[in-house]
Amino acid sequence: TQLLEQSPQFLSIQEGENLTVYCNSSSVFSSLQWYRQEPGEGPVLLVTVVTGGEVKKLKRLTFQFGDARKDSSLHITAAQPGDTGLYLCAGGSQGNLIFGKGTKLSVKP
Amino acid sequence: DTAVSQTPKYLVTQMGNDKSIKCEQNLGHDTMYWYKQDSKKFLKIMFSYNNKELIINETVPNRFSPKSPDKAHLNLHINSLELGDSAVYFCASSLGAGQYFGPGTRLTVT
Repeated sequence: TQLLEQSPQFLSIQEGENLTVYCNSSSVFSSLQWYRQEPGEGPVLLVTVVTGGEVKKLKRLTFQFGDARKDSSLHITAAQPGDTGLYLCAGGSQGNLIFGKGTKLSVKP
Repeated sequence: DTAVSQTPKYLVTQMGNDKSIKCEQNLGHDTMYWYKQDSKKFLKIMFSYNNKELIINETVPNRFSPKSPDKAHLNLHINSLELGDSAVYFCASSLGAGQYFGPGTRLTVT
């Protein structure tokens, strides 16, 4: 069974701080995606990475796919209250998506 | 201009009833999905359809039956509802790797 472990599970920081969320697995994935979900809404796709070692930037968010395509990280620089939400990583395998359990981020002003 | 829409948003019903949730996408995607998100926010795939054909059917009780009348619609029918079916159900669609989710249907079984 493929599993994705996300850490930390909860993260509460002050506005302006930096943070990193990790997503790890013992399995290789064809792609790795990050989603953000706000209360009462569906997950929204932030990025898809497909190549080992790939780095993608989305404004203050930096996503990295591990060289072996088993892990990924999401780094947020100078976090803002608007970044608050549930961050989910998801690994693609054979047309299916396996989700991690999420990291609940709270950014206080 | 909603991309993936679901109805209803909230559904409260009693044990033993039968209910349906509808999903429509206007993105022209070939693949649609149903996910269940439990109270701990864990999102798990239930079904996947590609061009109206079932391609993934995870370990889901056969009380759950998806139906895809065309590639823009994927409905979920649930028979004999149980307390444990209470959750948020998300529909999603995709063309490639990334998936686009609907707003979810919060099902509460009493």
